[in-house]
Amino acid sequence: GESVGLHLPTLSVQEGDNSIINCAYSNSASDYFIWYKQESGKGPQFIIDIRSNMDKRQGQRVTVLLNKTVKHLSLQIAATQPGDSAVYFCAEGFSNTGNQFYFGTGTSLTVIP
Amino acid sequence: GAVVSQHPSRVICKSGTSVKIECRSLDFQATTMFWYRQFPKKSLMLMATSNEGSKATYEQGVEKDKFLINHASLTLSTLTVTSAHPEDSSFYICSARTSGSRTNTGELFFGEGSRLTVL
Repeated sequence: GESVGLHLPTLSVQEGDNSIINCAYSNSASDYFIWYKQESGKGPQFIIDIRSNMDKRQGQRVTVLLNKTVKHLSLQIAATQPGDSAVYFCAEGFSNTGNQFYFGTGTSLTVIP
Repeated sequence: GAVVSQHPSRVICKSGTSVKIECRSLDFQATTMFWYRQFPKKSLMLMATSNEGSKATYEQGVEKDKFLINHASLTLSTLTVTSAHPEDSSFYICSARTSGSRTNTGELFFGEGSRLTVL
């Protein structure tokens, strides 16, 4: 399943399928991006990050893709599990200041068993 | 990994009272902490950047006198919602950044959040 981020804030996928969550960031000067996962009633948790000198970065079951030309970021989750159900936020920032990050609109992922 | 703790996790208060929320970095020193506000089913909105030993930097539209931030030590920042009103009811989240290096910006860790309900 795939979301369009700002326009489709919810995404439902079948357990075991791959999920793709999209994010359009706003500042072309941003050079550091992070994906966070937030479960209901809890604070955000770091998933994976990527710097602007990379197009792709892989973690455990997750891959982040960065397209600077169109200011687009995506998070791919392989073999989605019920525990992946949460709201996912992308955040953009600047590596030279290491300062605050600004969060995009979240996408709610629901995994159907 | 690094841990950020918030207290209290839930607080209910009467309109007109002030509420203090604490944010602690438990196993690292954080010269910079950040405070966010989150409404139901909404993204996090950065309220202010808390700098140890100096005044906080507030984002546009955030009332400094309403949301008092104090970062008195390298492990503690507090957010005080003064004269709280029902519209201040929200989920307040802090984050702290570990020290970076020349090639590493440091990593942000978030607290579990504090849910404020103003009656």
